[in-house]
Amino acid sequence: DIVMTQTPLSLSVTPGQPASISCKSSQSLLHSDGKTYLYWYLQKPGQPPQLLIYEVSNRFSGVPDRFSGSGSGTDFTLKISRVEAEDVGVYYCMQSIQLPRLTFGGGTKVEIK
Amino acid sequence: QVQLVQSGAEVKKPGASVKVSCKASGYTFTGYYMHWVRQAPGQGLEWMGRINPNSGGTNYAQKFQGRVTMTRDTSISTAYMELSRLRSDDTAVYYCARDRDFPDLWGRGTLVTVSS
Repeated sequence: DIVMTQTPLSLSVTPGQPASISCKSSQSLLHSDGKTYLYWYLQKPGQPPQLLIYEVSNRFSGVPDRFSGSGSGTDFTLKISRVEAEDVGVYYCMQSIQLPRLTFGGGTKVEIK
Repeated sequence: QVQLVQSGAEVKKPGASVKVSCKASGYTFTGYYMHWVRQAPGQGLEWMGRINPNSGGTNYAQKFQGRVTMTRDTSISTAYMELSRLRSDDTAVYYCARDRDFPDLWGRGTLVTVSS
């Protein structure tokens, strides 16, 4: 199975400042169809995960443009350009190149200073 | 509206079974696979398996093979996940999630507590 490794484990950010989360996969997530099957989710306290980014860099419907994703192959990054109070929670990366098997990163907890 | 509504919290004894339901509304139930993902207290997300609501075909994570059964009732647009021989470390929130090559719509979760 593909292992997804996220860093850092936690992040404390001043509102209005940027934040960045790294995700590394143990195998390339680039499929022969040309797509890269890497996703980012945010799980706010007491809620299910919500999709932020699909296929590395595409914002899901309704996701603010302060969220952006980048990367290729095995190395990926989620950036928040200006953190807001509503962005607190745990961020997970996930791969689906091995559908039906999904694997998630261990999570990065973002809190506000 | 488009949503997945899960059954309520359960408390079970070790060795028992639990069956969690997930009712879909607002979209064609048989048009999308359904994943089940669980989250132990304070822990990350763990994929358990997936069902094709159209055919009933399933794929299970190796870890749960032999203990998990995913079924569906298309007449009421509901998916089910049954986990048997429960242990204390099965205490978790169990989520259903619609698949579009990735989970895009999640239920609110069902807390299953396993305790003697």
